[in-house]
Amino acid sequence: DAGVIQSPRHEVTEMGQEVTLRCKLISGHNSLFWYRQTMMRGLELLIYFNNNVPIDDSGMPEDRFSAKMPNASFSTLKIQPSEPRDSAVYFCASSLSPSGAGQPQHFGDGTRLSIL
Amino acid sequence: KNEVEQSPQNLTAQEGEFITINCSYSVGISALHWLQQHPGGGIVSLFMLSSGKKKHGRLIATINIQEKHSSLHITASHPRDSAVYICAVKEDFGNEKLTFGTGTRLTIIP
Repeated sequence: DAGVIQSPRHEVTEMGQEVTLRCKLISGHNSLFWYRQTMMRGLELLIYFNNNVPIDDSGMPEDRFSAKMPNASFSTLKIQPSEPRDSAVYFCASSLSPSGAGQPQHFGDGTRLSIL
Repeated sequence: KNEVEQSPQNLTAQEGEFITINCSYSVGISALHWLQQHPGGGIVSLFMLSSGKKKHGRLIATINIQEKHSSLHITASHPRDSAVYICAVKEDFGNEKLTFGTGTRLTIIP
């Protein structure tokens, strides 16, 4: 089975540009997580969805960030306008929920974003 | 907000040594995850546990709920075990949100 698929793997763009990161969940999974990883702060949850509904978006930095699930198997994370401090690795993960203590999260390979 | 502390931050050991990485958290949890992140950046879930002990190959994870502490052990360590090991906790049964430790960078020298 294919794992979580993220695209692009790398993105370099100039400050002020719109950035869209994409994620395809593992078939059958119903929870989707967006994480950001930086040297300073480590891994942080940005937002997670369950059955296409945003459940916790308390980690979304500000209004410049938005995430959607247009269907059960796909999600986008958009940054508009982008700023240099948004440079990080963004991971998407999916799981089968409710998981209790029994279901792991499966991570994509991440998107390395650099804002110049 | 749960505070998740890992120790040590960095660990270098010789091949074959027994490795222990520790994780402590401040608030009651419903589950604890151990993740592995290789130098290439990919993250793999190693264990998820809420009590007792789990074993997979040379890896063993234990948790003591009363003491709010978990350990990850690696027996007969190998250079391919070199990675960052991250502890993460899930607080609520109804909320999938994870809070992460800062990770332990393990280097196994041949």
